[in-house]
Amino acid sequence: QKEVEQDPGPLSVPEGAIVSLNCTYSNSAFQYFMWYRQYSRKGPELLMYTYSSGNKEDGRFTAQVDKSSKYISLFIRDSQPSDSATYLCAVTPFSRAQKLVFGQGTRLTINP
Amino acid sequence: GAGVSQSPSNKVTEKGKDVELRCDPISGHTALYWYRQSLGQGLEFLIYFQGNSAPDKSGLPSDRFSAERTGGSVSTLTIQRTQQEDSAVYLCASSRLGTGRNTEAFFGQGTRLTVV
Repeated sequence: QKEVEQDPGPLSVPEGAIVSLNCTYSNSAFQYFMWYRQYSRKGPELLMYTYSSGNKEDGRFTAQVDKSSKYISLFIRDSQPSDSATYLCAVTPFSRAQKLVFGQGTRLTINP
Repeated sequence: GAGVSQSPSNKVTEKGKDVELRCDPISGHTALYWYRQSLGQGLEFLIYFQGNSAPDKSGLPSDRFSAERTGGSVSTLTIQRTQQEDSAVYLCASSRLGTGRNTEAFFGQGTRLTVV
């Protein structure tokens, strides 16, 4: 069993839709939770991070962590075609950069 | 440049040959990481350099893989006697050490390795 499970998709939604991306993890030692966005042929870029359970909002993006159920989510409101990318969840028991454990990534397409 | 630079961007090699992949981290970043991204496996941690400390090699898949970091800056990932299953995108990332936002890992664009 992988330490982080993420539905690889692909996921295709119309422009303006609310998108929900999810991951589950198995190790309660994970303390930092991140979402990366990766465009085709590019490296991943950090989108959001959170440390505690609860919600964290940044513009159209909301990251949600439930440590009790080991479940993390990313919500995208008013989705745009420019949001089309692969979204990777990442967790680590260390600081936010060290030895990240990634989910498989969900390929998202926003259709105009 | 301002970002993490990796070279070459693409590499095609014959099975059994050795390859070297290079990473130039962001200036001032003391931590450097190598990851591998392959179909079906996602992004996997390979090795981590932190300042002058001994590297964390716990993610290297076999003894055919090795990495060096010279002068605390440029790093080279070497794969000896390449196999077809080594085909993947090799990503390098760097970060500052410490707490807070400054510990964010910045990734390069990767080297796409194809073993034929």
